[in-house]
Amino acid sequence: KAGVTQTPRYLIKTRGQQVTLSCSPISGHRSVSWYQQTPGQGLQFLFEYFSETQRNKGNFPGRFSGRQFSNSRSEMNVSTLELGDSALYLCASSPNRGPTDTQYFGPGTRLTVL
Amino acid sequence: GNSVTQMEGPVTLSEEAFLTINCTYTATGYPSLFWYVQYPGEGLQLLLKATKADDKGSNKGFEATYRKETTSFHLEKGSVQVSDSAVYFCALSGSGAGSYQLTFGKGTKLSVIP
Repeated sequence: KAGVTQTPRYLIKTRGQQVTLSCSPISGHRSVSWYQQTPGQGLQFLFEYFSETQRNKGNFPGRFSGRQFSNSRSEMNVSTLELGDSALYLCASSPNRGPTDTQYFGPGTRLTVL
Repeated sequence: GNSVTQMEGPVTLSEEAFLTINCTYTATGYPSLFWYVQYPGEGLQLLLKATKADDKGSNKGFEATYRKETTSFHLEKGSVQVSDSAVYFCALSGSGAGSYQLTFGKGTKLSVIP
């Protein structure tokens, strides 16, 4: 079974631009979560989608948004990019929603904001 | 809120040495606990998990036991190899109703030298 895939793997943008990242979950997985990883803040939860609905959101500004499609694929969007948005963005999928479900991570998208 | 504290790195060991990485947590309810590993330039891989008190997770020679009385989930391996060099993250799943995002520790970088 193919793992979680994320595209693109690397992105370079300039301040003020917007960016869209894509995530394809493992086949059959219905929940998709997004995390931001930076050297200073570590791994922080952005949001979770299940059945095309955002179920949970972390403490990030409204410039960060996302959506999920009927095939469970997900995108996240960051508008008006800031230098501090430079990070590794990780997508994770799990079969369902629940405290014992394991989240499987993709390789990440490395975003650099200049 | 939920939090995870793990020992600061970096940790440098000689091949075949014994490894312990300490992890303690604060959470309401009964979270599931995870160890993930991240190799350079890659996403997170699940190493092991435990979903209830006294459960022992194990994989590839690594072990961790869910200790509710000490709120701990320490990672151990009896004999490390050079290939174990990576960053290790302890995490818990949200145990509040409807809240299943992962909360991570800051990571421990392990270097194993021949």
